[in-house]
Amino acid sequence: QVQLVQSGAELKNPGASVKVSCKASGYTFAAHYVHWVRQAPGQGLEWMGWIYPKTGGTNYVQKFQGRLTMTRDTSISTAYMELNSLTSDDTAVYFCARDSEQYQALNRFDPWGQGTLVTVSS
Amino acid sequence: EIVLTQSPATLSLSPGERATLSCRASQSVSTLLAWYQHKPGQAPRLLIYDASNRATGIPARFSGSGSGTDFTLSISSLEPEDVAVYYCHQRSSWPQTFGQGTKVEI
Repeated sequence: QVQLVQSGAELKNPGASVKVSCKASGYTFAAHYVHWVRQAPGQGLEWMGWIYPKTGGTNYVQKFQGRLTMTRDTSISTAYMELNSLTSDDTAVYFCARDSEQYQALNRFDPWGQGTLVTVSS
Repeated sequence: EIVLTQSPATLSLSPGERATLSCRASQSVSTLLAWYQHKPGQAPRLLIYDASNRATGIPARFSGSGSGTDFTLSISSLEPEDVAVYYCHQRSSWPQTFGQGTKVEI
């Protein structure tokens, strides 16, 4: 079945970087956009951007421009989200999610990964 | 950006009762609205897309309606496994946004 499995929880100091992985299985990885969404404690969901594994093209929400990088390794069907210059405001659960349709960013998320808790604290 | 306002914040019902969740958009999103179910410690799950279409494998007790700025997610007969937070999500306008969620408890 289609599945996204994310890397484990991370504890980072302020100012550091974090890289979260999202390994896909059960479908053609290159054909579906991968989105990243985060949820801060007690808050709602916040869409961060997407990567298109076929081309490596990316699209980020402006608030993250300059410190967010999404990459992929098609040989191992894995997408990555790297966030730099971390502050306590970046403490959140980070989710990857597959776009439901092939070859287009329909922005319909199905399925999601299990989430990765990133804690930023000294 | 489009703000989605969900109500109520919490909905407390008994098994078998009907649940009605509301999502209001700050401007029209046509029917480009989805609903997601999020249980604690689990991945969110797509329930409804394009306002009224059930995703694959979603039970028939879940239904969605609405267009423009006002949307509703209904659960016709609440089951214990429906305890979760439900989020609406619009993809009409960049950046796509989510509501703050409605917690359904039994």
